[in-house]
Parts: sequence; structure tokens; C-alpha cells
Amino acid sequence: GENVEQHPSTLSVQEGDSAVIKCTYSDSASNYFPWYKQELGKGPQLIIDIRSNVGEKKDQRIAVTLNKTAKHFSLHITETQPEDSAVYFCAATPPKLSFGAGTTVTVRA
Amino acid sequence: DADVTQTPRNRITKTGKRIMLECSQTKGHDRMYWYRQDPGLGLRLIYYSFDVKDINKGEISDGYSVSRQAQAKFSLSLESAIPNQTALYFCATSDGTGNNEQFFGPGTRLTVL
Repeated sequence: GENVEQHPSTLSVQEGDSAVIKCTYSDSASNYFPWYKQELGKGPQLIIDIRSNVGEKKDQRIAVTLNKTAKHFSLHITETQPEDSAVYFCAATPPKLSFGAGTTVTVRA
Repeated sequence: DADVTQTPRNRITKTGKRIMLECSQTKGHDRMYWYRQDPGLGLRLIYYSFDVKDINKGEISDGYSVSRQAQAKFSLSLESAIPNQTALYFCATSDGTGNNEQFFGPGTRLTVL
């Protein structure tokens, strides 16, 4: 089955700096790569996603890049703000939706 | 997300007890899922259901069972709880179309002593 690895496990950034989270996947059949954000005490929520027919997608301060040849994809958050502090999960599918282990992002004021 | 609710939100129980976690959704989605979250392991799929008559095992189904009582309800049972089932449990739904985005409930924190 699909194996998704995510790095780093924790990330501390100064407010206003950028944050980058990287993931790799193993199944070449995967073609959809969502990113979920989990705030304290809540369930994960989709924040951005990318399909394998594009290499990059941007939505305001967040962007995702995909390198299908190398089987890796990344989340980029620019101009980080305190409300960006959360746990972020990458995922890949098909086959079933497989999640990375998560990255705890802390934005220091 | 208020569209997906889970009860209870917190539960402490003892080894050997039977526990049921319940999930209800008002999104009208056919697909429902149960995950457990452990530190450093992310979200792992326990069971999933694509409609009322469909039940499928996920990657870590041992020690768990589920019941899809209606389109809107999907419950997870631990027949005889053990300490390594201590975790955060999430229910999720999706409509199975387009990107198949999953919508998660707020989670149930289960502690087995």
C-alpha cells in the first residue's frame, strides 16, 4: 500500500518567516495530494490540495508543489502568523487516503 | 466541524470493558470513516463504509468493530478495551465525488487504564 513520509515532525518559525513541510510517497498510482490542518482540540481540515496534472498551486499565503517523478510534494506557508500554529498532515491517494505522521508548526511572536 | 459530531468527546475506561464511540453527520455523505491518531504516527484508518450495507477493514481493524446504522450514523466499538487502544479517534465523511475531500469530526479522546 501507499507509504507517506513527512518531515520535519516539528517546526518552529518566527512570525513573518516562511515554513516548508516536505512529504514523499511510494505508490506511483497516487494522483491526488491534499494537505490538512489540525488546530488544537479540533479535527483535521482540508486547506489545500494538488492533483498530479499540475506542478504547483497557490492560495493566498499557502502553496503546494509536486514533483511526480521524484514522488515528493511540499507545503509552503509564507508570512507566517500566530494562527498558522497547528499540526499539518500531508496525504496521498489512491489507493486509500494515506496520511503522513504530521508536522507540529509553532509560530513565535 | 458541527456537521460531523462525535460522542463522547472524552472517555476513560478500564481494560476489558466494552466501549462504543458514536458518529453522526448532517452532510448527507454516503462515505464514513474511523481513524485513530497517535503521536508520531499520524492518522490510521480503522474501518470505512461507502454506504449503509458496506463495511470495510482499514489498516488497523484488529480489536475494533463498526456498525453503520443509517446513512448518517457510524459507530466504532472496542469489544474488550486494552491500554494500547488509548488514542484520539476521529470520524470522517466524504461524498465520494470530485476530490473526495474528507470532513472530520472533533475527535474522541479515549484512555484505557
